[in-house]
Amino acid sequence: DIQMTQSPSTLSASVGDRVTITCRASQSISDWLAWYQQKPGKAPKLLIYKASGLQRGVPSRFSGRGSGTEFTLTISSLQPDDSATYYCQQYHDYRTFGPGTKVEIK
Amino acid sequence: QVQLQESGPGLVRPSQTLSLTCTVSGDSISSAGIYWNWIRQFPGKGLEWIGYIFYTGSTHYNPSLKSRILISMDTSQNQFSLKLSSVTAADTAVYFCARGYELEYWGQGALVTVSS
Repeated sequence: DIQMTQSPSTLSASVGDRVTITCRASQSISDWLAWYQQKPGKAPKLLIYKASGLQRGVPSRFSGRGSGTEFTLTISSLQPDDSATYYCQQYHDYRTFGPGTKVEIK
Repeated sequence: QVQLQESGPGLVRPSQTLSLTCTVSGDSISSAGIYWNWIRQFPGKGLEWIGYIFYTGSTHYNPSLKSRILISMDTSQNQFSLKLSSVTAADTAVYFCARGYELEYWGQGALVTVSS
């Protein structure tokens, strides 16, 4: 089965900073990767699909890149509302989530 | 607007069967090409995909849970359901239902605790 890892596990940055989260798959998943944002007590929210597709209604400061085994989620200018945990998820073979990256605002 | 709502017992005894239902509004579970998923989130926050049922009724399950899972649909009620048998404390989690190949719509989640 395909394992997903994320780095860092926690990230602290200031409003306006550019932030990048990395997700790696244990084998190639082509571009079958999604990114989700989850706030406490809420369901995850789809941000990015197919590695780089921006979900409707998601601010353009979020972007995704990558293919194969290495992927990134970038927030171009961090906003207070972006404080959350971010998960990657592969859907090349079944579905597997990464362990999450908690983004905190300094 | 598509909305999903999980319902079912919040407490299940060990070795019993966990049963949850997801009621869908704003869309038909018979809509062509749509996948209807179950996902769970453990107390330590890890997420695990359980399985999905396609609009045709065909199912696809997480291999690690396959022997214990049944996902079914009731088109007359616009609902789909999860049954997880032989539960243990390790099955304690928040259970979510979600729509789509990419999980674009989610329910709010239902906490299920397995305890005697």
